[in-house]
Amino acid sequence: DSGVTQTPKHLITATGQRVTLRCSPRSGDLSVYWYQQSLDQGLQFLIQYYNGEERAKGNILERFSAQQFPDLHSELNLSSLELGDSALYFCASSVAPGAGTGELFFGEGSRLTVL
Amino acid sequence: GIQVEQSPPDLILQEGANSTLRCNFSDSVNNLQWFHQNPWGQLINLFYIPSGTKQNGRLSATTVATERYSLLYISSSQTTDSGVYFCAVGGSSNDYKLSFGAGTTVTVRA
Repeated sequence: DSGVTQTPKHLITATGQRVTLRCSPRSGDLSVYWYQQSLDQGLQFLIQYYNGEERAKGNILERFSAQQFPDLHSELNLSSLELGDSALYFCASSVAPGAGTGELFFGEGSRLTVL
Repeated sequence: GIQVEQSPPDLILQEGANSTLRCNFSDSVNNLQWFHQNPWGQLINLFYIPSGTKQNGRLSATTVATERYSLLYISSSQTTDSGVYFCAVGGSSNDYKLSFGAGTTVTVRA
């Protein structure tokens, strides 16, 4: 158990819908990272927050948004869903402000299926 | 960004065999981690090893930062070792993300 909690574990929805994925970081960790793992793209970095502030953006679509709340949990919102958004979405956390300065720990992922 | 290459892409082992997985990266790193993704999709931390050598049971890892590669050794493999092994790197202290390699898929047969 990494200490990072993600909900829901599985989600099935239809095209055009909107979903919210939730992540609670390890106790004491201030950084939260979101990654997408699809079959053809591997593990892709989406976005990172540190202590409530957005720090870095990767390959995140405009239809996706995220935020980190004062209690440090984070949510990833996916809207206008398409078939290609079906993937495993991981949240990771670290105590450090960036991956260049500390170890990351990953949650078990949220598996999204868009039908 | 930093490019990460893993080899081999696939590995089939007989139970009890030893193996070496390799990770090459294109620039200096401050963070290097090895993960095991099990058949249920979970990403398990194996090593945080930006340099040096570490061992944990039947697994060990070595990173030679000056030559930009890391090796993961699996000894006396078991069927539970099956899955995908990822190497991921973080560059300078301004680098906010881990960049992942494509992974090595390991299948251990009984």
